[in-house]
Amino acid sequence: DGGITQSPKYLFRKEGQNVTLSCEQNLNHDAMYWYRQDPGQGLRLIYYSQIVNDFQKGDIAEGYSVSREKKESFPLTVTSAQKNPTAFYLCASSVDRGGGGANVLTFGAGSRLTVL
Amino acid sequence: AQSVTQPDIHITVSEGASLELRCNYSYGATPYLFWYVQSPGQGLQLLLKYFSGDTLVQGIKGFEAEFKRSQSSFNLRKPSVHWSDAAEYFCAVGAKGDDKIIFGKGTRLHILP
Repeated sequence: DGGITQSPKYLFRKEGQNVTLSCEQNLNHDAMYWYRQDPGQGLRLIYYSQIVNDFQKGDIAEGYSVSREKKESFPLTVTSAQKNPTAFYLCASSVDRGGGGANVLTFGAGSRLTVL
Repeated sequence: AQSVTQPDIHITVSEGASLELRCNYSYGATPYLFWYVQSPGQGLQLLLKYFSGDTLVQGIKGFEAEFKRSQSSFNLRKPSVHWSDAAEYFCAVGAKGDDKIIFGKGTRLHILP
């Protein structure tokens, strides 16, 4: 079945360490997104990518980095510059880029990062 | 500025009772509107969407929503809730040709037996 796979499901890191969250999709979707979710805050956009080798900052990009070397992969690195990285991270993808309609997002199951 | 407001952080209803979750948006362009549902520790699933046409849209799991342009609202309804509907619900807004989707802060639904 097609879908989005995020790994790891749970991740612990010490302060000052970088960590990379994986996001892979086999839906042949063009656009991919990273959201951060905190209790009572809803979803906030970190980065998104519309095509390979191109990506744009979202609302809270500071302390994060991404790459889009392949259409199906969009890893997120949480760097030591992110001051409050403990959160639930959601990856999403969408097929309808440039097709005249707003994007319907398909989500992965999420990765929970805890900084010790 | 573009925004989505879900005024109720928590809602509790009895099983079998009707449900309405509120959503108001502020968006410069003609909005495309969505409702998503999230079970604890999981990703989000699309319940329904409105792009154009009939302002009353039907979704999965017996949910429906009505777009009211004059009130800038897109409220979600269900005539009779089931215990399995307990989850968090998010309203979201986008626009034609815009890759960014803006989410509300969510409403957590609790079901009493």
